Amino acid sequence: GAGVSQSPSNKVTEKGKDVELRCDPISGHTALYWYRQSLGQGLEFLIYFQGNSAPDKSGLPSDRFSAERTGGSVSTLTIQRTQQEDSAVYLCASCSAGLNTGELFFGEGSRLTVL
Amino acid sequence: AQSVTQLGSHVSVSEGALVLLRCNYSSSVPPYLFWYVQYPNQGLQLLLKYTSAATLVKGINGFEAEFKKSETSFHLTKPSAHMSDAAEYFCAVRSSTSGTYKYIFGTGTRLKVLA
Repeated sequence: GAGVSQSPSNKVTEKGKDVELRCDPISGHTALYWYRQSLGQGLEFLIYFQGNSAPDKSGLPSDRFSAERTGGSVSTLTIQRTQQEDSAVYLCASCSAGLNTGELFFGEGSRLTVL
Repeated sequence: AQSVTQLGSHVSVSEGALVLLRCNYSSSVPPYLFWYVQYPNQGLQLLLKYTSAATLVKGINGFEAEFKKSETSFHLTKPSAHMSDAAEYFCAVRSSTSGTYKYIFGTGTRLKVLA
């Protein structure tokens, strides 16, 4: 696609339920990043993919959070047993393989609300 | 470890006045530095980037930033604010470890433009 696509754009769930957030990066971008944006907290790094592997998953806040990427393209962020503190906007970004430009291209985010 | 500090979570300027948003970084190596803008309910969009070329970087919408190594700063400026500049602005630094790249963002500065 022309840009980074994220779905759903909004998700309301009940505490304890599992959620999946999807990111479709720009075609040909091998690097993919997930960030969490909470009110007043800036962007919190979650995980970084290069191809299908995740060399840096240091930002995942707990073992309830996991992510995968298949075919070097689409990525899914899964949050199990959601808690109210998981409420945030989850942003995905992709970057070209050579990283010479260094520019991240962001999707519009998935807003998660846990009741 | 690399980090970014944005001074002032909220900045207000009058329409037509100078915009100055501050960013200081910490990096043990020559950094790649970025400014992104986020309009309401949208993802982040690149304004400009510094990649060790010219220290004065010009971006979109009349914004520019100057890399000052001695001050470890990368402040964003615009000579004359426009109402459409009202948004949240994020400074970021790219760190590199063993061939992996992490983008570290500041906590953001919300710019308000007064008529």
